[in-house]
Amino acid sequence: DAGVIQSPRHEVTEMGQEVTLRCKPISGHNSLFWYRQTMMRGLELLIYFNNNVPIDDSGMPEDRFSAKMPNASFSTLKIQPSEPRDSAVYFCASRLAGGTDTQYFGPGTRLTVL
Amino acid sequence: DQQVKQNSPSLSVQEGRISILNCDYTNSMFDYFLWYKKYPAEGPTFLISISSIKDKNEDGRFTVFLNKSAKHLSLHIVPSQPGDSAVYFCAASDYGTASKLTFGTGTRLQVTL
Repeated sequence: DAGVIQSPRHEVTEMGQEVTLRCKPISGHNSLFWYRQTMMRGLELLIYFNNNVPIDDSGMPEDRFSAKMPNASFSTLKIQPSEPRDSAVYFCASRLAGGTDTQYFGPGTRLTVL
Repeated sequence: DQQVKQNSPSLSVQEGRISILNCDYTNSMFDYFLWYKKYPAEGPTFLISISSIKDKNEDGRFTVFLNKSAKHLSLHIVPSQPGDSAVYFCAASDYGTASKLTFGTGTRLQVTL
């Protein structure tokens, strides 16, 4: 079975550029989560969706961050404009709502903003 | 405010011995707890979980203990193996927040030969 798929795995960009991270959840899962991992703050939840609808975006750090889930099999996290402090590993996770609270993570995208 | 705390950033254990990883939480509304394992350059992998109605859950070499009165949980790995070397994250959720997980900062376990 394919797990959560994220692309790209690595992204290096310059300050001010737009960055788009992509996620394909596990087929059949109807909850999707975006996390950011940094040394200082560990794993932070940015936003999550249930049935493609954003439920809680209180973790999104600024208006420069936006996330969409146009259908059940695809989500994007966009940063525009990017800043060096956005450098981190971004994880996507999915879950089958109605089951346990276990979330399944993708391999992450390592973002470096120069 | 860190609601889930892993106070030991690292732990070193000899192969074959027991590894004990600890986690404390402050939110009394948490009712489901999970442990994830993370290898470098990979996403966290679910390891084991426990509901607040239990105080112990076992899966092979892994056992999670929950002490609700102390707001403390621990993960025991017996016997420890070199392949267990990874970062372990404790996470907690509250049914009322629709499965939003709050993670600790992780403990790096190194199992030595």
